[in-house]
Amino acid sequence: RKEVEQDPGPFNVPEGATVAFNCTYSNSASQSFFWYRQDCRKEPKLLMSVYSSGNEDGRFTAQLNRASQYISLLIRDSKLSDSATYLCAVNSFSGNTPLVFGKGTRLSVIA
Amino acid sequence: GAVVSQHPSWVICKSGTSVKIECRSLDFQATTMFWYRQFPKQSLMLMATSNEGSKATYEQGVEKDKFLINHASLTLSTLTVTSAHPEDSSFYICSAHIPGSAYEQYFGPGTRLTVT
Repeated sequence: RKEVEQDPGPFNVPEGATVAFNCTYSNSASQSFFWYRQDCRKEPKLLMSVYSSGNEDGRFTAQLNRASQYISLLIRDSKLSDSATYLCAVNSFSGNTPLVFGKGTRLSVIA
Repeated sequence: GAVVSQHPSWVICKSGTSVKIECRSLDFQATTMFWYRQFPKQSLMLMATSNEGSKATYEQGVEKDKFLINHASLTLSTLTVTSAHPEDSSFYICSAHIPGSAYEQYFGPGTRLTVT
């Protein structure tokens, strides 16, 4: 089983739709969790951290379920500019250890 | 967020030559930087962990003699692709962690390497 797994998509949704992505991780000792956004031919950019209590930033909501070992990202009222690949990332120990990334989920928001 | 720069942003080189990629933390000191590689439509794959003042730690399957990493200062890590081959063509990205912060890491803009 891979350390971090994501549905690769693509998810093709109309503007205004709500879309959710899940990501599962295999290491129960994982300490920190993130969602990154990556545009084509660009570097990943931190979208948000994921906490057990949930984290909301505008139209974006991230959740962590430690018992089931998955994290989720919900995007409400999708915009064309949300089209990108969304990567989940997990860190097991500390900031000085590398993040382990999923393969990413591609989202296309269609007018 | 913190700023990490990379240079060059893209490079084309001939097979057999060497290419050096620089990764700099611009507004913080990074004792640890990470080098990733990403092939088209693939995930980010960690190549190595670069530690300031000591040897890099390479991931399994990454040739340390081919991908030379030097982290000589707290703000600069370099990756040299030696004797490059077309199969080394990829998107190389570095990241750094801000000491004392939470666990997130910030990425440089990446270097697109094409070996002809």
